[in-house]
Amino acid sequence: DAKTTQPNSMESNEEEPVHLPCNHSTISGTDYIHWYRQLPSQGPEYVIHGLTSNVNNRMASLAIAEDRKSSTLILHRATLRDAAVYYCILRDSYNNNDMRFGAGTRLTVKP
Amino acid sequence: DARVTQTPRDKVTEMGQEVTMRCQPILGHNTVFWYRQTMMQGLELLAYFRNRAPLDDSGMPKDRFSAEMPDATLATLKIQPSEPRDSAVYFCASGMTVNTEAFFGQGTRLTVV
Repeated sequence: DAKTTQPNSMESNEEEPVHLPCNHSTISGTDYIHWYRQLPSQGPEYVIHGLTSNVNNRMASLAIAEDRKSSTLILHRATLRDAAVYYCILRDSYNNNDMRFGAGTRLTVKP
Repeated sequence: DARVTQTPRDKVTEMGQEVTMRCQPILGHNTVFWYRQTMMQGLELLAYFRNRAPLDDSGMPKDRFSAEMPDATLATLKIQPSEPRDSAVYFCASGMTVNTEAFFGQGTRLTVV
């Protein structure tokens, strides 16, 4: 039972913004939305997370829909180093705290 | 610079042998996850612990896999006996609450021949 849905792949041009979508129509009120990415031959790394409000950090921005059924990870200026698989994950703060990954979105950045 | 440390980084073993993978979580983190990654299955959650107690190991083949936390600084994942289909990269991650980030190790690449 997939809790999140992401496109399999996306392409972007270097130095342009990238919007990576995630649908989570069955999200519960206690689910946090987390994004991780995995660069080639590395372990996943944290990108950003949020609950209801939009969030910004040095890596990216997270825009959360008002009904929380979807979110978008925004990379403001893609670099070649941002080429990775991006995972959108829901983490429930009430029932259990597991962290399960789907297939993610493979982002290709073209020079 | 706190990090999750996994050993060994690479392991080649023969079918039927016991394999032990180790993970040192970040000091103070109370949650530890074990994952297996293959091209076909992606990142699968095998088991996770909170405060050293196993919360869910439903992702592990019970007959051959076992995961333990003998103390707060060490998590182990054992496969006995190993089979070629166990060949994968195994990741460990540690964290605190769901409102904080989790940190992953570099993984153990296991090859069973």
